[in-house]
Amino acid sequence: AQSVTQPDIHITVSEGASLELRCNYSYGATPYLFWYVQSPGQGLQLLLKYFSGDTLVQGIKGFEAEFKRSQSSFNLRKPSVHWSDAAEYFCAVYRTGRRALTFGSGTRLQVQP
Amino acid sequence: NAGVTQTPKFQVLKTGQSMTLQCAQDMNHEYMSWYRQDPGMGLRLIHYSVGAGITDQGEVPNGYNVSRSTTEDFPLRLLSAAPSQTSVYFCASKRQVNGDYGYTFGSGTRLTVV
Repeated sequence: AQSVTQPDIHITVSEGASLELRCNYSYGATPYLFWYVQSPGQGLQLLLKYFSGDTLVQGIKGFEAEFKRSQSSFNLRKPSVHWSDAAEYFCAVYRTGRRALTFGSGTRLQVQP
Repeated sequence: NAGVTQTPKFQVLKTGQSMTLQCAQDMNHEYMSWYRQDPGMGLRLIHYSVGAGITDQGEVPNGYNVSRSTTEDFPLRLLSAAPSQTSVYFCASKRQVNGDYGYTFGSGTRLTVV
């Protein structure tokens, strides 16, 4: 079965510090992977996606993610965090059978001034 | 474009009451789906539809009904609300085209069942 694990429930970083959010997936074939961000009281916004090709993908708002097949990981990174990045972040994998996304449980990011 | 519109934004129900959560999209997307979001569990798929007249169950379908009479609308019905259905509900849509995984999410409906 396809699944997504986000090991960190809550992360706090200082503004200007670097960020890495972890995501591990379980999937038999080449996965289609996504990162979404949810600001308080809002819907989900797509940050970036990986289908194939270059394993380092660039997204919006200065985020990037690296697909590592050997580690079954798709970690999200940002070199310098801004206070406006405080939100909840979800990793997801596309399920071809149901034509739907399976989400991880999310990581809540808090940014300290 | 309005994108995906969900109504209402907030709702409080008593146990046993029924209601319909509305979802409408104006992008001519064939695929529509409903998720529920609960703390620590991410989003879980309730039902989905790949076109008018076609619906199927997701991971957590019990207690919910759906229908798809038009391309634009995909309402979610709770026939007899239970406290376990307290959650935030999101509707999402996308084109039903191979290689297109660009989901558009609505802003959610926060439902409390007392």
